[in-house]
Amino acid sequence: AQSVAQPEDQVNVAEGNPLTVKCTYSVSGNPYLFWYVQYPNRGLQFLLKYITGDNLVKGSYGFEAEFNKSQTSFHLKKPSALVSDSALYFCAVRDDTGGFKTIFGAGTRLFVKA
Amino acid sequence: EAGVAQSPRYKIIEKRQSVAFWCNPISGHATLYWYQQILGQGPKLLIQFQNNGVVDDSQLPKDRFSAERLKGVDSTLKIQPAKLEDSAVYLCASSPVGQGYNEQFFGPGTRLTVL
Repeated sequence: AQSVAQPEDQVNVAEGNPLTVKCTYSVSGNPYLFWYVQYPNRGLQFLLKYITGDNLVKGSYGFEAEFNKSQTSFHLKKPSALVSDSALYFCAVRDDTGGFKTIFGAGTRLFVKA
Repeated sequence: EAGVAQSPRYKIIEKRQSVAFWCNPISGHATLYWYQQILGQGPKLLIQFQNNGVVDDSQLPKDRFSAERLKGVDSTLKIQPAKLEDSAVYLCASSPVGQGYNEQFFGPGTRLTVL
């Protein structure tokens, strides 16, 4: 069965410092991995995805994520955090074995301090 | 390009009452999803449509929840009767014809409070 884990409820980082939001997954087949961001009172917005190929994926707003098959991880990163990055981040996974049900993690709240 | 529209944005009802939510996906998107997001949790898929056929409704509490997608466009999610534990944000999302690697586009959600 598919599952996603986001081990940190909250990540705190100072503005200008690099940030990492962690995600690990479990799927039966090959994974399709996604990161979404949720701002207050708004729906989820797509940030980036991994389908196949290059393990480093670049997305919106300067975010990137690294796919690590051996560690079954897909951590979200940004070299220099902004206060405006403060939001709720969700990792999600699908596999290619049929149905394409998307499983979301519980979310990690990112707080960037000025 | 217009985004996914949902209404109402907020709804407060008493337990055992019924409620309905409406969703209009992005034009041309064949796949439509309804998610339930309880406070402090990630979205949980309730039902997924491909055009007007159901692809997955394994997590839909069918004794009280129902959904339809007429003509493969708009969709309605209904709860009857509502329970306290149904208090959540109900998110609608859509994506182009259902390849697993397509990202989903989400609406703003409907916040339901059951008293």
